[in-house]
Amino acid sequence: GAVVSQHPSWVICKSGTSVKIECRSLDFQATTMFWYRQFPKQSLMLMATSNEGSKATYEQGVEKDKFLINHASLTLSTLTVTSAHPEDSSFYICSAPVSGTLNQPQHFGDGTRLSIL
Amino acid sequence: AQSVTQLDSHVSVSEGTPVLLRCNYSSSYSPSLFWYVQHPNKGLQLLLKYTSAATLVKGINGFEAEFKKSETSFHLTKPSAHMSDAAEYFCVVSLGYGGSQGNLIFGKGTKLSVKP
Repeated sequence: GAVVSQHPSWVICKSGTSVKIECRSLDFQATTMFWYRQFPKQSLMLMATSNEGSKATYEQGVEKDKFLINHASLTLSTLTVTSAHPEDSSFYICSAPVSGTLNQPQHFGDGTRLSIL
Repeated sequence: AQSVTQLDSHVSVSEGTPVLLRCNYSSSYSPSLFWYVQHPNKGLQLLLKYTSAATLVKGINGFEAEFKKSETSFHLTKPSAHMSDAAEYFCVVSLGYGGSQGNLIFGKGTKLSVKP
């Protein structure tokens, strides 16, 4: 079945560092990918919609200069947390629907635990 | 507007007893509904989906859910809980319509604990 690979699974870094998270669709093409943030014991909150070959669409309240999204190919989207600070520590998850499908289940990566010291 | 309400933040059952996780939705359109499970520090795994076919949907690991339009509910059930079922469960409605790619609205989640 369709698989989404997210890398890295765990990052610990110093405040001020920029961190890049990759989301890959391994056996299908994804013109759209979604990036979510999950705080401890809370639900997933959509941050942005990543669109292949065009600019990402950010949800209200999400700083686009802080969370840079690039979707350069049909199988890869990246989220870069720039100049990360402790308040950016969270669990980040990407997902992708199989292109051309509507209302079909999305495939989720295993998430990235980001800890900023 | 679409929304999802999971009525219980935490459910605790004994191994071998039935599981009921409740979910109510609000949607202006015929919704697509999903249940996902999340184990600690993991992504989400699809348990089952409803997309306007049969109202009783069977999923993986013995779970099933029934779509009840009159009650706007989509409760998740399992006849007999197993220790490995302990996890966080999310009820999700899809915003996908009019050609969009299925943006998702998540419930707040229900943590299922299974006692030996």
